[in-house]
Amino acid sequence: EAGVAQSPRYKIIEKRQSVAFWCNPISGHATLYWYQQILGQGPKLLIQFQNNGVVDDSQLPKDRFSAERLKGVDSTLKIQPAKLEDSAVYLCASSLVRGAEIWVNEQFFGPGTRLTVL
Amino acid sequence: AQKITQTQPGMFVQEKEAVTLDCTYDTSDPSYGLFWYKQPSSGEMIFLIYQGSYDQQNATEGRYSLNFQKARKSANLVISASQLGDSAMYFCAMREGQSFDYKLSFGAGTTVTVRA
Repeated sequence: EAGVAQSPRYKIIEKRQSVAFWCNPISGHATLYWYQQILGQGPKLLIQFQNNGVVDDSQLPKDRFSAERLKGVDSTLKIQPAKLEDSAVYLCASSLVRGAEIWVNEQFFGPGTRLTVL
Repeated sequence: AQKITQTQPGMFVQEKEAVTLDCTYDTSDPSYGLFWYKQPSSGEMIFLIYQGSYDQQNATEGRYSLNFQKARKSANLVISASQLGDSAMYFCAMREGQSFDYKLSFGAGTTVTVRA
């Protein structure tokens, strides 16, 4: 099966500019996650969708970050305006909720988008 | 407080030898799951192995095994017969609770370099 797709793979922008990332999860996966991974750190969850509804966005800097998942499939993450500290890899992941097997329910990750803010 | 602690920033291992990566966790929830992911230089996170808090036996998956010590709150990953392709960053992560809408808390990771 096809994996999680993300684009672009790399993006360089100036501070105060805006940027958008796109994610296409594995077909049939109801849950979609956006993570931010700063160099040398583990990923940190920004937002989690269940179908097209937001489950958790407690770590999303809502003054500059926004995300949507129209029709419960593809998702976009936007930063406007970008700051230097937003330089990171943005990872998208998806998982399939399956009844009694939710205990494993591993998340499948895309290749990420590496953002550099100058 | 840190939920997942990985104290080894980097490790070197000789090809064909075993290596143990440390992971300790902190939770008061009796129901939780522990995951290990591999992140090669390409950037994609690859799921390796899972251990549930109620699992009686240590998880194994091919050359990967998880040394789960519940009382010590540790979940160390053992990679046996290391291969050059095992060189990567390894992350320990935890899911808390029983809800489907779980999120993963990741540690800072350990870089493994396999020498020929």
